[in-house]
Amino acid sequence: GENVEQHPSTLSVQEGDSAVIKCTYSDSASNYFPWYKQELGKRPQLIIDIRSNVGEKKDQRIAVTLNKTAKHFSLHITETQPEDSAVYFCAASRGGSQGNLIFGKGTKLSVKP
Amino acid sequence: GAVVSQHPSRVICKSGTSVKIECRSLDFQATTMFWYRQFPKKSLMLMATSNEGSKATYEQGVEKDKFLINHASLTLSTLTVTSAHPEDSSFYICSATETGGYGYTFGSGTRLTVV
Repeated sequence: GENVEQHPSTLSVQEGDSAVIKCTYSDSASNYFPWYKQELGKRPQLIIDIRSNVGEKKDQRIAVTLNKTAKHFSLHITETQPEDSAVYFCAASRGGSQGNLIFGKGTKLSVKP
Repeated sequence: GAVVSQHPSRVICKSGTSVKIECRSLDFQATTMFWYRQFPKKSLMLMATSNEGSKATYEQGVEKDKFLINHASLTLSTLTVTSAHPEDSSFYICSATETGGYGYTFGSGTRLTVV
């Protein structure tokens, strides 16, 4: 069945450094790829998303790149801050249904001051 | 922005009882809502897709008689965990997409503990 692989599972960086999280997906019909940030005990919050008709999207310190041919997409966080520490989930739509998502297993990001 | 309200946030129930969780879209209409389950330190697992006015679509391995879903209106979906057992203890989260929109919003989640 459809699957989303996410790496690494944990990531520790120094404040100010960059962090990169990578995901691969298996459903060639997927056309929507959101990223969520989840703090402990709270709901996931959408931080950025990308559709299959673009290769890159940026929002301040956060950027996402998509390679449809290779079926992988990545989250890039620059100038990391302690408040960026959280679990990040990538997701890919199941086919053309952008509301029906398959999630990666998550990456626990720790930003050390 | 779109707001999804989920209640209760926490519930403790005795084994064998049933628990109802509500998911409401506050400022938009949602033809479709989704129910997820999240184990500690794990990812979100889709349980079912809730469609307004029709039967929910359950993912493989999810017992539809145990997890009853009712999407009676464009702003409300409910998940009832029937005859709950300790292994049903988990964090349940709903999400909703505005009809015609893209992306979706999560509810605040419900921590269910079955004792």
